[in-house]
Amino acid sequence: GAVVSQHPSRVICKSGTSVKIECRSLDFQATTMFWYRQFPKQSLMLMATSNEGSKATYEQGVEKDKFLINHASLTLSTLTVTSAHPEDSSFYICSARDNRRGETQYFGPGTRLLVL
Amino acid sequence: DQQVKQNSPSLSVQEGRISILNCDYTNSMFDYFLWYKKYPAEGPTFLISISSIKDKNEDGRFTVFLNKSAKHLSLHIVPSQPGDSAVYFCAARRYGKLTFGQGTILTVHP
Repeated sequence: GAVVSQHPSRVICKSGTSVKIECRSLDFQATTMFWYRQFPKQSLMLMATSNEGSKATYEQGVEKDKFLINHASLTLSTLTVTSAHPEDSSFYICSARDNRRGETQYFGPGTRLLVL
Repeated sequence: DQQVKQNSPSLSVQEGRISILNCDYTNSMFDYFLWYKKYPAEGPTFLISISSIKDKNEDGRFTVFLNKSAKHLSLHIVPSQPGDSAVYFCAARRYGKLTFGQGTILTVHP
């Protein structure tokens, strides 16, 4: 149980294009999902908290207009990197909180984004 | 400001021995602590957690100890197995959000 999927697992795009990453909780409902970014050999940094049916809350320093988050259902949250630039290249990971399991966050497998 | 720190970037242990991974934090408002295991290019896998009101939690080969006065937690793995080789992150929770340490690379030699 507590499986979280992400799609795509890897994406390469040209600078200036937009990329959408999907995060799904497969066997539980998640009112809250989180989006993280990890640069090479660094820790996971929380970007934003995604709440079903309401606006996402962003961490300090994260541009909400650049990283659009939509949490349309209890099992799906999407992150859209708009007008991507090479410095946006990173490993993006989502997590979903299963309230039935003591609010532990379960992570997806991550999406490797490379912007050329 | 690094609120959660794992000061050992790497740890090497012989199979069958105990692995001890350490984590320090600065914010006394954290209410929950978790350990995750991560392989390259994969998401973290939850291992074990502990509430701030407890000092020990055990699950099979994994035990987490919390010393609130020292703001320190540790993960003990015994006996260590080669399959335990991975990056281990500790995380601390406040208001539902997790703050991660930098990770420790554990290598268990056969």
